Amino acid sequence: EVQLLESGGGLVQPGGSLRLSCVASGFSFGAYAMSWVRQAPGKGLEWVSGISHSGTTTYYADSVKGRFTISRDNSKNSLYLQMNSLRVEDTAVYYCAKDAPVIVALSDYWGQGTLVTVSS
Amino acid sequence: EIVLTQSPGTLSLSPGERVTFSCRASQSVGSNYLSWYQQKVGQAPRLLIYGASTRATGIPGRFSGSGSGTDFTFTISRVEPEDFAVYYCQQYGSSPYTFGQGTKLEIK
Repeated sequence: EVQLLESGGGLVQPGGSLRLSCVASGFSFGAYAMSWVRQAPGKGLEWVSGISHSGTTTYYADSVKGRFTISRDNSKNSLYLQMNSLRVEDTAVYYCAKDAPVIVALSDYWGQGTLVTVSS
Repeated sequence: EIVLTQSPGTLSLSPGERVTFSCRASQSVGSNYLSWYQQKVGQAPRLLIYGASTRATGIPGRFSGSGSGTDFTFTISRVEPEDFAVYYCQQYGSSPYTFGQGTKLEIK
């Protein structure tokens, strides 16, 4: 059974940093692309960032480019999102998602999300 | 960036009815890389359709998708009580991989 468990969310002040983690199980993690998708309270889905199965290629939404960094450690079945220079508008539930093997953002399994609140 | 516009914003239907949602892209979606997701309150999204018309694993036959280029549709042939939710289209043909704003299907 595919499982994705996010952690690292919490309350942070504007301008601060957080690192989200996602531990995967139930599939060959290193064979699949992965993504982060967020959802602000009461709002729709926003794709944030994606990474190829090997980690060599990364993609970002314009809203987070230059502030967020996606990475992965295939030896630890783990996906990360380093978030710097956080803004109030980054407040959202952040979902980790398993993508197709070579297609970023075609997400067939999702975690339950971790809440990030940016507020003073 | 490809902007996806979904219509209508909300649909009110009774169980057993047929429903069709629209998703229009601001530019052509490469390789028809267009997917549809269902999201219920308090839950993560669920992949229903990918490649514009291919049902994901385990998705019932009452769900279908069609379209190409800039115009896509999603249909539920007979709405079941468990289908009342928000539906999103997403293009994964070119980065950044954008979502539509969603269509809420509510009980009439």
